[in-house]
Order: sequence, then C-alpha cells, then structure tokens
Amino acid sequence: EPEVTQTPSHQVTQMGQEVILRCVPISNHLYFYWYRQILGQKVEFLVSFYNNEISEKSEIFDDQFSVERPDGSNFTLKIRSTKLEDSAMYFCASSQRSSLNEQYFGPGTRLTVT
Amino acid sequence: GQQVMQIPQYQHVQEGEDFTTYCNSSTTLSNIQWYKQRPGGHPVFLIQLVKSGEVKKQKRLTFQFGEAKKNSSLHITATQTTDVGTYFCAGITNDYKLSFGAGTTVTVRA
Repeated sequence: EPEVTQTPSHQVTQMGQEVILRCVPISNHLYFYWYRQILGQKVEFLVSFYNNEISEKSEIFDDQFSVERPDGSNFTLKIRSTKLEDSAMYFCASSQRSSLNEQYFGPGTRLTVT
Repeated sequence: GQQVMQIPQYQHVQEGEDFTTYCNSSTTLSNIQWYKQRPGGHPVFLIQLVKSGEVKKQKRLTFQFGEAKKNSSLHITATQTTDVGTYFCAGITNDYKLSFGAGTTVTVRA
C-alpha cells in the first residue's frame, strides 16, 4: 500500500539554525500539507500546497516558514531561523484531490530545538 | 477563525463499555473527517461525513454528522484494548480549510 514517507525521523538543531524537513507524498496525489503537533497537544494545520503554490496557510505559517516542491517527488518544509517553540512533531500529508478527500499522513519528523 | 471543539479531552473506559466523543464547530462545515492516532503514531483517516444527518458505521464505531452540519460524534461500543489512542475530528469549511479538534485520548482498563 502506498504511503507518505518523511525524513529525518528526528532532527535536533540549535536555536537560530535553519532546518529542512523532507516528505515524499503518495505519487498520484495532488495536494500536500504540513501539520505541526506540539507534544501532548492537537494537530495544527500549517499549510496546503497545490499546483506548485500555497493554497492555504495558517497564522502559524509566518515568514520563517516556506515550502517547496523541488522535483516531482519531494515536498519540503523549511524553517529559516528556528525558535525553541518550534519544537514539535511535524507531519506531512497528501490527498488525491482537495482536503475534501482523506489525507494520508506520514510518520512525522520530531524536531527538537535546543 | 473557525474553531472546532472536541470533548471530552480524556476518556477512561472499562473494557467492554461504550463511550462517545463529541465535536462542535463554530461555523457550518462542508464535511467532517475523523482520524485516529495511536500513541507515538501518526493520524490515520477513519471516515468522512458529508451529508447533513449522515450516519456511518465501521464495525463497533458509529459516526454521526449533525443536521446543521456543525457537530459530529463518534460512538464506540464494547471498547477493546485496540481502541486505545487519540481520536481527532477535523472540520472542513467551504473554503477548504481544515481545522482539527483537540482530540479525545482514550485509555482502556482491562
């Protein structure tokens, strides 16, 4: 069964450093998403991406964040200058059409900012 | 902005008992999805409800969408240890924005 993959599984970085989280969505899916889940809290929507551009973003997704689909398979989330409060699990998800379809989540990348 | 509230936050259930988790939105939803997240895992899609008053069943799980499309519920009968996890509802508005509830974390006493 096809699945969303994410790398790395765990990323430790120092405050102020840039990080790039990588995702490979399911191959025939057209919509891609990033979510954040701070430990013990709910899943928070960050951004959705379709047709090589951002379609929706939340208030959390400020200028420190960016997304990119550099090639036909990868979907990345970049945090330019990490803050302690960016420590969380970051999930990538994809869906075949819009968010009106079920979303398939990847296993997540745990980001720890020290 | 859209808010999706989910109660209860925690549910401790005796194995074999039933329980219900509720989801309420401040705005009318286009549809609602339910996800389950096992401890240490990622959200896994369970079901989507689209129509007003819709009821769907998956074995021991019954999902309901309110008539006004502003609330939903998940009812689990005869809880088993495999039901352990956090159940999230996710409401989708007409402009395709997805908002997750805080989740109901379920633990089961054998």
